[in-house]
Amino acid sequence: NAGVMQNPRHLVRRRGQEARLRCSPMKGHSHVYWYRQLPEEGLKFMVYLQKENIIDESGMPKERFSAEFPKEGPSILRIQQVVRGDSAAYFCASSPPGGFETQNIQYFGAGTRLSVL
Amino acid sequence: GIQVEQSPPDLILQEGANSTLRCNFSDSVNNLQWFHQNPWGQLINLFYIPSGTKQNGRLSATTVATERYSLLYISSSQTTDSGVYFCAACSNDYKLSFGAGTTVTVRA
Repeated sequence: NAGVMQNPRHLVRRRGQEARLRCSPMKGHSHVYWYRQLPEEGLKFMVYLQKENIIDESGMPKERFSAEFPKEGPSILRIQQVVRGDSAAYFCASSPPGGFETQNIQYFGAGTRLSVL
Repeated sequence: GIQVEQSPPDLILQEGANSTLRCNFSDSVNNLQWFHQNPWGQLINLFYIPSGTKQNGRLSATTVATERYSLLYISSSQTTDSGVYFCAACSNDYKLSFGAGTTVTVRA
């Protein structure tokens, strides 16, 4: 049973380019979360998605960032026109169906390290 | 949102020593998890423990929900235990709030 798969593990972009980060949840999981780890700010929630729906994007920067979880395929976190301040580790997590009132353990992937030159 | 505080911030251990890491949280929790971030940056799930006690090998954890704290015990530490240990919690939602972490260094 494969865990949460993120790719690429490392991504280098120049300022102004686009970054696409992919996350395949664990088998049977329908909830996906993205978190960002900035050097001086720690790990912070960004967005929560279910298949074809953004449930909560309260942690996403207002501009340049978007996320999707299509009916088929992985979840994508997209950063347009990257800047140096976007350099961070981006983690994806998934959890099985059910509301947060039930057991809602989140399983994390290995992360994608984005470096903006 | 819920506030999560971890102590101590740094811990240096001699191989074979035991240690206790603490996590305090500001509200009732429906999810509390402990993670180990290894030197390669990977986040490893250790425990899902909103209440009670669990053990996994040399690691164990206890959460006293009524007093709003959780403890992670490392026994007979090994150099591979080095890294940053994070506690994260949710209160009536799904957004995990992470503590600042405890950096553990185990010396041979």
